[in-house]
Amino acid sequence: AQTVTQSQPEMSVQEAETVTLSCTYDTSESDYYLFWYKQPPSRQMILVIRQEAYKQQNATENRFSVNFQKAAKSFSLKISDSQLGDAAMYFCAKTDSWGKLQFGAGTQVVVTP
Amino acid sequence: DAEITQSPRHKITETGRQVTLACHQTWNHNNMFWYRQDLGHGLRLIHYSYGVQDTNKGEVSDGYSVSRSNTEDLPLTLESAASSQTSVYFCASSENADTQYFGPGTRLTVL
Repeated sequence: AQTVTQSQPEMSVQEAETVTLSCTYDTSESDYYLFWYKQPPSRQMILVIRQEAYKQQNATENRFSVNFQKAAKSFSLKISDSQLGDAAMYFCAKTDSWGKLQFGAGTQVVVTP
Repeated sequence: DAEITQSPRHKITETGRQVTLACHQTWNHNNMFWYRQDLGHGLRLIHYSYGVQDTNKGEVSDGYSVSRSNTEDLPLTLESAASSQTSVYFCASSENADTQYFGPGTRLTVL
């Protein structure tokens, strides 16, 4: 069975600082997509960033960037210049070749002033 | 703008009752998915569909069913609600094996 593992239940960061969330996964496929979704208290699932496995270049979206290590099956998210609005649960997820998503258990990000 | 909606947003029901949660998308996506979210488990796949008349079981499908009669809708039915089905339910859609877009979720409580 394919799994997605987020080993940090909670991470705390001060405003303007940087925090990195870890994610590892298991797969036998060569082509797939990886995602980070943000879930604020409103419960809405918001796409933060996506990475295509066949692309070696790490994806970046404004203050959010990933470190994708395909051989190590690692996909970490870095949030730079953290803001109070970044406080949320963050989920790492991976698609299989049929587009089904598998999620990690999530990492709660707490931002302190 | 295209969107995906779920109704109701909150539902309280009793054990043994049949419940249907609605999901409607205007993206014209072929793929639609239902997930449940419980503490400590992230989101887990219940059922999914790759097109009209196509339905498939996911990781946690027992006690749930879906039907797909058109592109826009994938209702989720709990045939006989159980307390273990108290959860938050999310519907999502995608065009292919790429990004899934999520609805706002439905909080279901089974008493």
